Amino acid sequence: GENVEQHPSTLSVQEGDSAVIKCTYSDSASNYFPWYKQELGKGPQLIIDIRSNVGEKKDQRIAVTLNKTAKHFSLHITETQPEDSAVYFCAASKTGNQFYFGTGTSLTVIP
Amino acid sequence: EAQVTQNPRYLITVTGKKLTVTCSQNMNHEYMSWYRQDPGLGLRQIYYSMNVEVTDKGDVPEGYKVSRKEKRNFPLILESPSPNQTSLYFCASSLGRPRKGFYSYNEQFFGPGTRLTVL
Repeated sequence: GENVEQHPSTLSVQEGDSAVIKCTYSDSASNYFPWYKQELGKGPQLIIDIRSNVGEKKDQRIAVTLNKTAKHFSLHITETQPEDSAVYFCAASKTGNQFYFGTGTSLTVIP
Repeated sequence: EAQVTQNPRYLITVTGKKLTVTCSQNMNHEYMSWYRQDPGLGLRQIYYSMNVEVTDKGDVPEGYKVSRKEKRNFPLILESPSPNQTSLYFCASSLGRPRKGFYSYNEQFFGPGTRLTVL
């Protein structure tokens, strides 16, 4: 099956700086890549997703880039705020039914 | 309010005692799924369902059963729980099929989680 690796496992940034989280996947047939944010004590929540027919997608301070050739995709958060502190998960899917998640990145934004 | 609900939220049980974790969604979603979350392993998919009476194995189905008799409900059954099934469990649902105007028909909405401890 698919193998999704996520780095780093922890990330601390100063408020206002940018944060980048990277994921790689193994199955070249994967074509849907969502990113989820999980706050303490809650379930994950989709923050942005991208399909394999585009290379980049942006939504305000959040952007995702996809490199199909290298099989990696990244989450970029600009102008970080304390409320961005959470655990972030990347995922990959080729069928839209089965999802493979990365191991998570704990982001801390220091005021 | 559109939501996915799970019950119970916390459960402590003993090895071998059958249990069911319920999951219900009020968004008329066709797709539902169960995940377990363990430290250092992220989320791993247990089972998913594309529609009523249609279920399939995810990555880690051993020791679990599911059923989908109604569109809104997708219970997770542990017939004989073991300590290695101690985990945080999440149910999720999504539209499942492309619908006009919906880019993210695969967007999964997660429940609040059920923390299960098997002694």
